[in-house]
Amino acid sequence: QSALTQPASMSGSPGQSITISCTGTNSDVGAYKYVSWYQQHPDKAPKLIIYDLNNRPSGVSGRFSGSKSGNTASLTISGLQAEDDADYYCASYTTSDTLVFGGGTRVTVL
Amino acid sequence: QVQLQESGPGLVKPSETLSLTCTVSSYSIRNGYYWGWIRQPPGKGLEWIVSMHPGGTTYYNPSLKSRVTISIDTPMNQFSLNLNSVTAADTAVYYCARVPGNRYSDYWGQGSLVTVSS
Repeated sequence: QSALTQPASMSGSPGQSITISCTGTNSDVGAYKYVSWYQQHPDKAPKLIIYDLNNRPSGVSGRFSGSKSGNTASLTISGLQAEDDADYYCASYTTSDTLVFGGGTRVTVL
Repeated sequence: QVQLQESGPGLVKPSETLSLTCTVSSYSIRNGYYWGWIRQPPGKGLEWIVSMHPGGTTYYNPSLKSRVTISIDTPMNQFSLNLNSVTAADTAVYYCARVPGNRYSDYWGQGSLVTVSS
């Protein structure tokens, strides 16, 4: 299975919004609403921020939202804050009952 | 709050078997959910390895399936990973996680760095 495709890096100023894309195929992103997103700070374990396309776990800021169009999923971070400076990974359930991650996007808050 | 903690050797020789155990707290594995392993080579992205349900259903990353074994010990509330015939490419931080429906990982261990080197 091939990794999902994410931009390597993105940046934005505090208060701005950014949208990270995650492109897959008809066998993963396009097949189900089972896309998840993770935030990872340096030397920390990933943290789940979106599951099942657009659901936030308890305690996750409402500034994070997820969506999908065709084979591309997106994570939008609204009102960028300094603490959003991190790596972000998407993941998708596949038609082979496996999980596949994206390559990750480094978000820099300017 | 569900907690997971990985344990095992930090150094494994090439061609040998990498073995890690994940101890789960504040939740009984026998109650359900999939439990899995995910790894991250230094400076690189995440790679899902395997997920297992206490009922026995197991799903594998096709690229690793031939070398991976996962097991669950419900009395000890632990699950384990064995990866055989390791090479330097298997050097990574290995995370254990709870994986609801094998769809996403909601609780993660802190990670265990395993280096493959002679």
